[in-house]
Amino acid sequence: DTGVSQNPRHKITKRGQNVTFRCDPISEHNRLYWYRQTLGQGPEFLTYFQNEAQLEKSRLLSDRFSAERPKGSFSTLEIQRTEQGDSAMYLCASSSGELFFGEGSRLTVL
Amino acid sequence: AQSVAQPEDQVNVAEGNPLTVKCTYSVSGNPYLFWYVQYPNRGLQFLLKYITGDNLVKGSYGFEAEFNKSQTSFHLKKPSALVSDSALYFCAVRELDGSGNTGKLIFGQGTTLQVKP
Repeated sequence: DTGVSQNPRHKITKRGQNVTFRCDPISEHNRLYWYRQTLGQGPEFLTYFQNEAQLEKSRLLSDRFSAERPKGSFSTLEIQRTEQGDSAMYLCASSSGELFFGEGSRLTVL
Repeated sequence: AQSVAQPEDQVNVAEGNPLTVKCTYSVSGNPYLFWYVQYPNRGLQFLLKYITGDNLVKGSYGFEAEFNKSQTSFHLKKPSALVSDSALYFCAVRELDGSGNTGKLIFGQGTTLQVKP
């Protein structure tokens, strides 16, 4: 499969725990985006990378959130000290024009 | 700032009938507009885009969209709906800011399409 891959697909955690999501983009795409989607809402932009450089972060991305793309290939999104309000679907997309999305990682914080 | 609005939370149509899912946009300059579809517990799939050229854009799965500059609309259409078209549809606009084209998309709230047999 040469599409965008995200894992884990589902994560259930207790409040206060740290979680990390991984995104493997389409190999030739130099831009990578993270979005968050809550139930009944459209995806909301979190951050994006051009190669390994993080070029923009949304105000939605609190200090507890950090994203990296160390070698300009895969990316990780870490959430520290999770809160119930962090429960959402976290979507990754890569682009060389249109955005191609992965299947998402659904986070449930108990 | 660029934005899109989808005025309908849900659209219901009978199988075989034409469908329309509405989207209006607000941009400064020329808009780059997109439609995506999302099936339950899945990511978003690209359907079609308007960048420039013909106002009627054809996309995947028999969908098309009509760009109307005077009405600032980009409605999604299909001549004959299928039950399998039932899903969540998102309209989006590409953000253009002072630093150029970020490629970032701004999404509407989504419209649930229900096609009944």
